[in-house]
Amino acid sequence: GAGVSQSPRYKVAKRGQDVALRCDPISGHVSLFWYQQALGQGPEFLTYFQNEAQLDKSGLPSDRFFAERPEGSVSTLKIQRTQQEDSAVYLCASSPLAGGVETQYFGPGTRLLVL
Amino acid sequence: GESVGLHLPTLSVQEGDNSIINCAYSNSASDYFIWYKQESGKGPQFIIDIRSNMDKRQGQRVTVLLNKTVKHLSLQIAATQPGDSAVYFCAENTGANSKLTFGKGITLSVRP
Repeated sequence: GAGVSQSPRYKVAKRGQDVALRCDPISGHVSLFWYQQALGQGPEFLTYFQNEAQLDKSGLPSDRFFAERPEGSVSTLKIQRTQQEDSAVYLCASSPLAGGVETQYFGPGTRLLVL
Repeated sequence: GESVGLHLPTLSVQEGDNSIINCAYSNSASDYFIWYKQESGKGPQFIIDIRSNMDKRQGQRVTVLLNKTVKHLSLQIAATQPGDSAVYFCAENTGANSKLTFGKGITLSVRP
């Protein structure tokens, strides 16, 4: 069946531009997670949604980062006024369980390069 | 494309040999652990998990060992195959929230 999909797969932005990254989770999955993965590093937690509620945003690195999931399905991660240090792969994961630590299915990621 | 494993430690094994990948975790409060495999250009893929009330768990060709005394986790892969070549991450969770904390990762390279 269809897995988690993310778009775009690659994004090049000029420093200062705003970007929006989309995540389509597996249909019916309650939990949705965003991670940031710098080159050569493990993924780092950004934020967690249970349905449309953002229950944990403690990993967002600054107020330039904003995530939403208004209808409890598709999610968008928005980065305002992008900086070079924002260059990374942004991974989305979904889980059928509330909390969903045990059963996270990851998408392929969006590779963001800020010039 | 760019390698996920750039700058990571590398373990090189001969095809058919057993592989052991080690991870030192940081939080003594962690009670759930997962091993993930990540191929270039893809997201992490679940391999096997273990809870802190166990010290060993086996899957198909894989075994995870947990030593809570020294906060050490290992992944053993039997009869390593070329398709096992990837970056491997351990991840931990304390149960207090839904955050997974990932380790730095190790690149496994299988020689034919």
